[in-house]
Amino acid sequence: EVQLVESGGGLEQPGRSLRLSCTGSGFTFGDYAMSWFRQAPGKGLEWVGFKRSKAYGGTTEYAASVKGRFTISRDDSKSIAYLQMNSLKTEDTAVYYCARQRGYPPGHFDYWGQGTLVTVSS
Amino acid sequence: QSVLTQPPSVSAAPGQKVTISCSGSSSNIGSNSVSWYQQLPGTAPKLLIYDNNKRPSGIPDRFSGSKSGTSATLGITGLQTGDEADYYCGTWDSSLSAVVFGGGTKLTVL
Repeated sequence: EVQLVESGGGLEQPGRSLRLSCTGSGFTFGDYAMSWFRQAPGKGLEWVGFKRSKAYGGTTEYAASVKGRFTISRDDSKSIAYLQMNSLKTEDTAVYYCARQRGYPPGHFDYWGQGTLVTVSS
Repeated sequence: QSVLTQPPSVSAAPGQKVTISCSGSSSNIGSNSVSWYQQLPGTAPKLLIYDNNKRPSGIPDRFSGSKSGTSATLGITGLQTGDEADYYCGTWDSSLSAVVFGGGTKLTVL
């Protein structure tokens, strides 16, 4: 059974950093691109970025709202994808989801984690 | 302001049919496949439709998708109270080099 579990969320102050983890199981993690999304309280889904598998060059793409502040990396040996969030802003407050990505360019996202809440506040 | 446009809400009675529209442009829906996601209250999104009209294993055939030009549509027949959720369309935008979503449509089964 495919499972994705996010961790690392919590309360952080503006300007600080936070790293989220997404641990996968039930599939060959390294064969898939992994994406991060977020959903601010009461708002819709927003794509954050993705990192392709090594087979597709391991390239990354980011939403304009986080480019230069957020970085996605992965450790395929541990089946973990990371979202490093620097220079946090209050508007980064959201539930963050990771998802397994299918298709090229990104076509769809077939499995999602349960999400982890990030609150940015002083 | 979302790149894709969905109606904020739709409603219908149990057993009836509903459609949810998703409008975009030539750089997103017009040139890439569309997927649809269901988000039940307090839960993570779940893939309902991919590649415009394909259903993942386990998704009942009450759910269907179609695409024409720069618009896509999600159809749900035989509505059940358990279908009450937010529904999102999504696709890749080749001009923005970004995954884009609609703002979401809240389905109420009266």
